[in-house]
Amino acid sequence: QKEVEQDPGPLSVPEGAIVSLNCTYSNSAFQYFMWYRQYSRKGPELLMYTYSSGNKEDGRFTAQVDKSSKYISLFIRDSQPSDSATYLCAMSANTGANSKLTFGKGITLSVRP
Amino acid sequence: DTAVSQTPKYLVTQMGNDKSIKCEQNLGHDTMYWYKQDSKKFLKIMFSYNNKELIINETVPNRFSPKSPDKAHLNLHINSLELGDSAVYFCASSLAGGPKTQYFGPGTRLLVL
Repeated sequence: QKEVEQDPGPLSVPEGAIVSLNCTYSNSAFQYFMWYRQYSRKGPELLMYTYSSGNKEDGRFTAQVDKSSKYISLFIRDSQPSDSATYLCAMSANTGANSKLTFGKGITLSVRP
Repeated sequence: DTAVSQTPKYLVTQMGNDKSIKCEQNLGHDTMYWYKQDSKKFLKIMFSYNNKELIINETVPNRFSPKSPDKAHLNLHINSLELGDSAVYFCASSLAGGPKTQYFGPGTRLLVL
């Protein structure tokens, strides 16, 4: 079993839909949870960051972490064609110099106009 | 202003050759990373350097040799290239205090023929 599992997709939704992206993980030491967005032929860019359990909202994006279920989600409201990209979840156990991110495989989202 | 830059953007070469990829960051970060992203978009850490010191080496074949001449630069030299080395290589940088501040470069697309 991989440390981080992410729904493989791809996912195609109409403009304006609510999108739910999910990851599960097995390492209970993970405390820092991130979502990265990667446009085609570009590097990943940090979209959302959450520490421990809880919700975080930023505009149309909401990140949720449920450590008891080892489950994280990213919700996108009123999805736009510009949201079409690959979304990667990432996690870390600590923030020291030796910290590393463990990524999910990524899911490609397409928002149809 | 490019925060994390990589050269070259594209690299096409024959099996058995030796090649180098260069990375530079102008963010003042003290930690730099090399990641490999395969054709299925799976992003995996290879190395990290903190203040020019190797911190993480994720069981990468010793044909891969990173070098950090200073905090702003991290280069990757690959000897005896193999077909399986074809991938996109991303450089990233962060402050030691948090994975949330990890910034990625645009990637180097390596194709080994």
